[in-house]
Amino acid sequence: DQQVKQNSPSLSVQEGRISILNCDYTNSMFDYFLWYKKYPAEGPTFLISISSIKDKNEDGRFTVFLNKSAKHLSLHIVPSQPGDSAVYFCAAQGAQKLVFGQGTRLTINP
Amino acid sequence: DVKVTQSSRYLVKRTGEKVFLECVQDMDHENMFWYRQDPGLGLRLIYFSYDVKMKEKGDIPEGYSVSREKKERFSLILESASTNQTSMYLCASTPLLSYEQYFGPGTRLTVT
Repeated sequence: DQQVKQNSPSLSVQEGRISILNCDYTNSMFDYFLWYKKYPAEGPTFLISISSIKDKNEDGRFTVFLNKSAKHLSLHIVPSQPGDSAVYFCAAQGAQKLVFGQGTRLTINP
Repeated sequence: DVKVTQSSRYLVKRTGEKVFLECVQDMDHENMFWYRQDPGLGLRLIYFSYDVKMKEKGDIPEGYSVSREKKERFSLILESASTNQTSMYLCASTPLLSYEQYFGPGTRLTVT
């Protein structure tokens, strides 16, 4: 039972445009959400997070939006840069642990 | 900077071997986690620990065990490696009451 889903395995975006990565969840008890970025042969690194009491959190080029009624969150990257090419995982904090989605591979084309 | 290190980047083992994966963190974090990452499945939690000598099963603990004898060190043990345990193994740590996990570089384990 996949409680956190990233339905797009891959996404290709032109440099300078906006990248939008999506994530859906099923458990309404999740109270905190995070996005991680992963380069090949490296561990994931924390990117940005949002509490369930908020609907938006912004950090530089990265913005996370949370729609609790739809159980949906999204990560916006603008403008997209070549160094943003990586796999992105969304994660939700449940009882004592994080639950991760399957990941979306983002490719930024010059 | 938080540093989480894993004993090997790449490991090749034979079916039936006992395998030890070591993880060390240098930030005095209480919580430590072991995940495996497989294509299309994301990161799945194997075991976690909130304190020395404590362990909790994650979502896929079968075929694995763990040991936490010291706060900074969390070991994952494959009692009898099988080919379906070929995967990328990731260790993470986090301080108490924090959600942000810090990951090690991963160990790519191949079981032949």
